[in-house]
Amino acid sequence: EAQVTQNPRYLITVTGKKLTVTCSQNMNHEYMSWYRQDPGLGLRQIYYSMNVEVTDKGDVPEGYKVSRKEKRNFPLILESPSPNQTSLYFCASSLGLNTGELFFGEGSRLTVL
Amino acid sequence: AQSVTQLDSQVPVFEEAPVELRCNYSSSVSVYLFWYVQYPNQGLQLLLKYLSGSTLVKGINGFEAEFNKSQTSFHLRKPSVHISDTAEYFCAVSQWGAQKLVFGQGTRLTINP
Repeated sequence: EAQVTQNPRYLITVTGKKLTVTCSQNMNHEYMSWYRQDPGLGLRQIYYSMNVEVTDKGDVPEGYKVSRKEKRNFPLILESPSPNQTSLYFCASSLGLNTGELFFGEGSRLTVL
Repeated sequence: AQSVTQLDSQVPVFEEAPVELRCNYSSSVSVYLFWYVQYPNQGLQLLLKYLSGSTLVKGINGFEAEFNKSQTSFHLRKPSVHISDTAEYFCAVSQWGAQKLVFGQGTRLTINP
């Protein structure tokens, strides 16, 4: 089954404790992206990657890092989480935005205390 | 820069009634347009998309949308809604050659029996 898998789905952590949210897709997509969803703000892009070893900032990259060492994986790293990073995070992948659609994971709800 | 405005944050309707969810966008260049649906505790999935051609686009679950270039709108419609259509709906735009989707703030559709 074609899917985007995120882990963990739920996480409560404390300020400053490094964490990684993993994302893996099995569709051989070149494009992957991370979004955060906050009430009243819709989804905002954090980082995206057009291919292996190619990443770029989205609209809200502060406090986040990403890497793309393999085509299927695109982890999101919070080196020193803060309460304003409490949010619902979505990973998505696509063959290419110009002609295709984004396939989303089920989301990771992160709470930073 | 491109932006998307969903004019209603919440839309309550009765079952079997028609519904229209409004979306306006701004962009200085040609765009691709999308509607996504998010059911409770799930990721987003594509309802329909406009890439080119006919301005009336049909999607899944009986939804359709019309691209109006002069009014920069992409409103979503369904002639008769069901309880199962209760969800949050997001309009999104991508500029030709860009590498991100810009999402609206979302419209929560509530179906009352």
